Amino acid sequence: KAGVTQTPRYLIKTRGQQVTLSCSPISGHRSVSWYQQTPGQGLQFLFEYFSETQRNKGNFPGRFSGRQFSNSRSEMNVSTLELGDSALYLCASSLVGSHNEQFFGPGTRLTVL
Amino acid sequence: DAKTTQPTSMDCAEGRAANLPCNHSTISGNEYVYWYRQIHSQGPQYIIHGLKNNETNEMASLIITEDRKSSTLILPHATLRDTAVYYCIVRAGNSGYALNFGKGTSLLVTP
Repeated sequence: KAGVTQTPRYLIKTRGQQVTLSCSPISGHRSVSWYQQTPGQGLQFLFEYFSETQRNKGNFPGRFSGRQFSNSRSEMNVSTLELGDSALYLCASSLVGSHNEQFFGPGTRLTVL
Repeated sequence: DAKTTQPTSMDCAEGRAANLPCNHSTISGNEYVYWYRQIHSQGPQYIIHGLKNNETNEMASLIITEDRKSSTLILPHATLRDTAVYYCIVRAGNSGYALNFGKGTSLLVTP
């Protein structure tokens, strides 16, 4: 079974631009979560989607948004990029009822110049 | 979620058991202990979880004290590929998938 895939793997943007990252969960997994990882703050939860609905949201500004499609694929968007948004963005998928066992993708490395 | 405390770093010789401690003195009755690890430049990987009984799977064993205020993850025969950051997370089992990873323990397995 294929794992979680994220595209693109690397991205370079400039301040003020916006970016969209994509995540395809493991087949059959309907929950998708997003995390941001930086050297200073570590791994921080962004949001979680299940059946196209956002179930949980972390403490991030409104510039960070996401959505989930009917096939469970998810996208996250960051608008008006800031230098501090440079990070590894990780997506994880879960099988409902799997007791918090999340399967993570390789991440998208975003660099904001 | 209950707060967890882990040592910042640990060393282990290859082939020996690696015992990674975690304190969670404020854990409540419906909260589970989860362990994940992150090998450099990869996404985190689920290892094991438990409520109050000791658990074992093909990767590791989880020992939870009787009062549930602390736990130990045991890698029985550490290899170089076990070098990673190990995260102990405490969370209620029915509270969705928003995990608080904290700082974790950086485990270095040496030849």
